[in-house]
Amino acid sequence: NAGVTQTPKFQVLKTGQSMTLQCAQDMNHEYMSWYRQDPGMGLRLIHYSVGAGITDQGEVPNGYNVSRSTTEDFPLRLLSAAPSQTSVYFCASSRLGGAGNTIYFGEGSWLTVV
Amino acid sequence: AQTVTQSQPEMSVQEAETVTLSCTYDTSESDYYLFWYKQPPSRQMILVIRQEAYKQQNATENRFSVNFQKAAKSFSLKISDSQLGDAAMYFCAYRFPNFGNEKLTFGTGTRLTIIP
Repeated sequence: NAGVTQTPKFQVLKTGQSMTLQCAQDMNHEYMSWYRQDPGMGLRLIHYSVGAGITDQGEVPNGYNVSRSTTEDFPLRLLSAAPSQTSVYFCASSRLGGAGNTIYFGEGSWLTVV
Repeated sequence: AQTVTQSQPEMSVQEAETVTLSCTYDTSESDYYLFWYKQPPSRQMILVIRQEAYKQQNATENRFSVNFQKAAKSFSLKISDSQLGDAAMYFCAYRFPNFGNEKLTFGTGTRLTIIP
């Protein structure tokens, strides 16, 4: 059971470049989400999805795009990278329908924009 | 909007001693969940303990226990017999059962250092 898998683990981008952070889960979870972690700010929600074809914005969505074509995958796209998007990104998933359901996190993706 | 506040950016404790990490939150809801997550240097997010607001009994997981004060909106984490492996960032988080948007709201974290 792989859980939540994020790729790549490390990436350096130049300002203006685009890229996609991949997230896949093998637990058949309906709920998937992306967070970013910045020093002194905890984790903040970027986008989330409650099932294939359904996505919505979180707290800090600007500059990011998502889609959910399958239950397993939830990629995060940076359209035109900016230094302010330098951060650690976490993908997370859980079953839907219960706030007590365990949320499983990926190992994080370190992104540096220069 | 729900907010979670961790007022202690850093804490330290002697090995084998007990330490308490503080967390307060703001919500108008009556049913929700609270969590403590541990993040070691590897950055992996590890669930330490969870508490349902409707349960009066404080949750316990081995050396980890919480003091949940619903009226005061306080949710502190007590670590007993601290071990070197407990050194990490600890995040308090809130989750409201809003079907379709069960997002976690995190505090800013407390960095715990264990002194040998």
